Amino acid sequence: AQSVTQLDSQVPVFEEAPVELRCNYSSSVSVYLFWYVQYPNQGLQLLLKYLSGSTLVESINGFEAEFNKSQTSFHLRKPSVHISDTAEYFCAVSEYNTDKLIFGTGTRLQVFP
Amino acid sequence: NAGVTQTPKFQVLKTGQSMTLQCAQDMNHEYMSWYRQDPGMGLRLIHYSVGAGITDQGEVPNGYNVSRSTTEDFPLRLLSAAPSQTSVYFCASSWGRGNTDTQYFGPGTRLTVL
Repeated sequence: AQSVTQLDSQVPVFEEAPVELRCNYSSSVSVYLFWYVQYPNQGLQLLLKYLSGSTLVESINGFEAEFNKSQTSFHLRKPSVHISDTAEYFCAVSEYNTDKLIFGTGTRLQVFP
Repeated sequence: NAGVTQTPKFQVLKTGQSMTLQCAQDMNHEYMSWYRQDPGMGLRLIHYSVGAGITDQGEVPNGYNVSRSTTEDFPLRLLSAAPSQTSVYFCASSWGRGNTDTQYFGPGTRLTVL
């Protein structure tokens, strides 16, 4: 069965600094990978996803993630963060032969001025 | 479109009481699911449904029942609430398969079991 590990529970960073949120997965079959974001007191919303093709995927607000099959990773990066990026970020994985989407434990990104 | 709606927003129960968390979507999505969110544990899948009349278990199904009689509705039932079920519950839906399509989440139900 698939599983997801987000090693960093909290990441504090100053505004305009770069950030990387780490995500590693475990699966014995082909996977699909996702990053969701949860702003305070809201539900989750999709940030970006990898299904196939280019291993580098981008979101509309400047985040990007790269699928690395050999390292079983899907780290999320942004070269310059804003205060408004403060939120909790969840990595999720699904396998090609199931309908289950499994989430990691989340990383709280706190951006300071 | 209202998207995914959940009721109630807040609920307090006593141990042993039963209740149903409601989830509805107006996007004609086939796939619906329920998650619980607990501090330090992220979101855990409780049950999911790939279409009307079809449900299956997720990671933590014990203590919860679901049914899917219509495409729009996917209620979650707690038959005998326990303090361990204190959590925030999210319903989600997607147009196609749960493993590839974007999930749309509701605003959540905060449940406290005393």
